[in-house]
Parts: sequence; structure tokens; C-alpha cells
Amino acid sequence: KAGVTQTPRYLIKTRGQQVTLSCSPISGHRSVSWYQQTPGQGLQFLFEYFSETQRNKGNFPGRFSGRQFSNSRSEMNVSTLELGDSALYLCASSWPGLTDTQYFGPGTRLTVL
Amino acid sequence: TQLLEQSPQFLSIQEGENLTVYCNSSSVFSSLQWYRQEPGEGPVLLVTVVTGGEVKKLKRLTFQFGDARKDSSLHITAAQPGDTGLYLCAGEGRSQGNLIFGKGTKLSVKP
Repeated sequence: KAGVTQTPRYLIKTRGQQVTLSCSPISGHRSVSWYQQTPGQGLQFLFEYFSETQRNKGNFPGRFSGRQFSNSRSEMNVSTLELGDSALYLCASSWPGLTDTQYFGPGTRLTVL
Repeated sequence: TQLLEQSPQFLSIQEGENLTVYCNSSSVFSSLQWYRQEPGEGPVLLVTVVTGGEVKKLKRLTFQFGDARKDSSLHITAAQPGDTGLYLCAGEGRSQGNLIFGKGTKLSVKP
């Protein structure tokens, strides 16, 4: 069974631009969560989607948004990029009802210059 | 606020040594997960522990969940260079789909 895939793997943007990251979950998984990982803060929860609805959101500004499609694929968008948004963005998927056990993709490394 | 604290933060040992990594919280978790992450990659799930006092073994790795479900440990016997990586513990927060992670233990095993 294919794992979680994320595209692109690497991105370089400049301050003020916006970016869209994509995540395809494991087949059959309907819950998709997004995390930001930085050396200083570790992994921090951004938001979680289930059946095209955002169920939970972490403590990030409104510049961070996401959506989920009917095939469970998900995208996250960051607008007006800041230097501090440079991070590894990870997507994870899980079975319905088993959201404590998540399977991660390889991540998208975003660098903001 | 639910927090998971891991110790030690860094560990550098020689091949063949044993080690233990700790994950502690003041909050009760319904389950805890352990992940290993290599540079530039996403975390890979190693194990989920659910029952207080539970012990799970994965080859040379032994995972234990505390009786009160507030802490967990990972013990590696006879570490090998292939065990090198960032070890993360995680537990589900009060909202579904929100895993709370410890800051991780960076393990380096030298040949």
C-alpha cells in the first residue's frame, strides 16, 4: 500500500509570497493532519481535516489555511510568507476513529528568503 | 496545556551500548506513540502503547507505558549505527487528530 505522499519536496520562496503544499493520504484514510517542524519548536499541530471539514486548528495565524477534497487529498496554503515560516511541513493521515496513530509523509521543506 | 517532555535531548553512544529515552507528562494520555525520524524525512511510527503498564518489544527496542498513562520509556539494547535518528514521543491532545509531540531525543550511535 502506498504511503503518504507530499509535493513538492522542496520549495524556495521570498517574503510576501504565498505557497500551496499538497498531501495525498494513504488509501482509505480520511483524516489528514498538518504539522510544522522547526528546530526550536519541534512539531506543532496546524490543523486537521476529516471528510472535507476542518475539525481542529492549532495556534497559528490566519495566514495558514487548508482544505480537503472529496478524495481525502489535502492542501495547505500559507499567504504573505515570513522568514519564520521556513520549516518542514508534514502531513499525516489516519484511519477514521484512530486519529492517535498517524502516518507521516516525507514533508515539504519550505525556505523563505 | 498538555506537554510531553523528553529526556535526554541528545545522546551520543558507542555501538553495543544500551540506552533509555524518557517521555513524561503531568497529563494522562489515552495512548502514546513513538516515532523515529531521519534527517529530511517524516517521522516513522514505531509503536503505539495503549494500556497502563503495557510493555511492547520491537526487536532490540522495548517500549513501556507508565501505569498512570502519564509517561513512557524507550529502551534500546545493543545499539547499532542504524538506530541513529530523532526519537519522538507523541500523544493525542484533547482534540482529535492533534498529536502533541515531545521535542525529541537525538541519538547518535558511533561504530
